[in-house]
Amino acid sequence: GAVVSQHPSRVICKSGTSVKIECRSLDFQATTMFWYRQFPKQSLMLMATSNEGSKATYEQGVEKDKFLINHASLTLSTLTVTSAHPEDSSFYICSAVGQGAGGSYEQYFGPGTRLTVT
Amino acid sequence: QKEVEQNSGPLSVPEGAIASLNCTYSDRVSQSFFWYRQYSGKSPELIMSIYSNGDKEDGRFTAQLNKASQYVSLLIRDSQPSDSATYLCAVAKTSYDKVIFGPGTSLSVIP
Repeated sequence: GAVVSQHPSRVICKSGTSVKIECRSLDFQATTMFWYRQFPKQSLMLMATSNEGSKATYEQGVEKDKFLINHASLTLSTLTVTSAHPEDSSFYICSAVGQGAGGSYEQYFGPGTRLTVT
Repeated sequence: QKEVEQNSGPLSVPEGAIASLNCTYSDRVSQSFFWYRQYSGKSPELIMSIYSNGDKEDGRFTAQLNKASQYVSLLIRDSQPSDSATYLCAVAKTSYDKVIFGPGTSLSVIP
């Protein structure tokens, strides 16, 4: 149980175009999902918190008009990178909060999406 | 001061030895602590979560938490080459709150 999927796993796009990344909780409902970004040889940096039915909360320094987040249902959150530039090339990872086997809430991570902007 | 700090490594241990990974955090209100393992090019995988002071054991892994010292550690017994990865310490106010990750410690287990 507690599986999170992301689509696509890899995407290459041209500078100036937009890319949408989907994050789905497959076997549980997640009112909260998180989006992280990881540059090579660095740790995960939280970009935003996505709550179903409300606006996302962005971390300091993350442009909300560039990284559009929509959490339209309890199982799906999307991240759209608008007008992508080469510096947006990164590993984007989502996580969803779900109830673990012991009853406590834990975060379950998706497999990540490798974005390359040429 | 960074919110979560770890030695970047690399930490090298021989196969069969105990690997000890350490982490400190700055936010005293944190209540949830996690260790993730990340292989190169892959997403993080949760190894252990710990919420109370003391030790928590799961197979070859033992997590230790000391809230007074704001210190979390992970011991890996009988280290295997397959344990070679980057280990991320992560901290949150609650188990469903946003998680702040440390920079990670690279572990290499030498056969």
